[in-house]
Amino acid sequence: AQKVTQAQTEISVVEKEDVTLDCVYETRDTTYYLFWYKQPPSGELVFLIRRNSFDEQNEISGRYSWNFQKSTSSFNFTITASQVVDSAVYFCALSEDSGTYKYIFGTGTRLKVLA
Amino acid sequence: DAGVTQSPTHLIKTRGQHVTLRCSPISGHKSVSWYQQVLGQGPQFIFQYYEKEERGRGNFPDRFSARQFPNYSSELNVNALLLGDSALYLCASSLARVDTQYFGPGTRLTVL
Repeated sequence: AQKVTQAQTEISVVEKEDVTLDCVYETRDTTYYLFWYKQPPSGELVFLIRRNSFDEQNEISGRYSWNFQKSTSSFNFTITASQVVDSAVYFCALSEDSGTYKYIFGTGTRLKVLA
Repeated sequence: DAGVTQSPTHLIKTRGQHVTLRCSPISGHKSVSWYQQVLGQGPQFIFQYYEKEERGRGNFPDRFSARQFPNYSSELNVNALLLGDSALYLCASSLARVDTQYFGPGTRLTVL
């Protein structure tokens, strides 16, 4: 069965600190996709990244970076030099390539960046 | 280009009533999915429609139904509302069934 675990419920950091959000997933499929979304107070889920199971290369986009490790079934998200605008709830999600192409979301991590 | 739009933004209903939520996908997107997000939790999958056909259904009762129109917009209907249906209802669209889903701002439903 599919499952996504985000063990960190809430993290508080001071502006300019680096922070890593953890995501551990479970799936029996060999082909699957992993995602990170940001949900600011407005409620809209903002797409950040998509990774497929065949691509384990880490990715960097500005202050954001992602570490995908199939050996530990983890897809962690790091924000470098955090800013107040990064404050939001971040969701990790998993989708398999078979059957219903639904997203399974974790419970989210609330990030508070203090000025 | 406009993103996914949803209407209404907020809705207050009483138990037993019926509600219809609407979603317009990003132009060119043919797939629409619906999710329910209860406060403090991650979104839960309700339905996926692609090319006007239901392609997937989550673990929700038959009180929940949906449809997709020829212009690819979609409606989510919920009958016999319960207090537990109070949630943020999110619509997402994608180019095709397995492409990345882009979410709308949601409709916040409160059932009293």
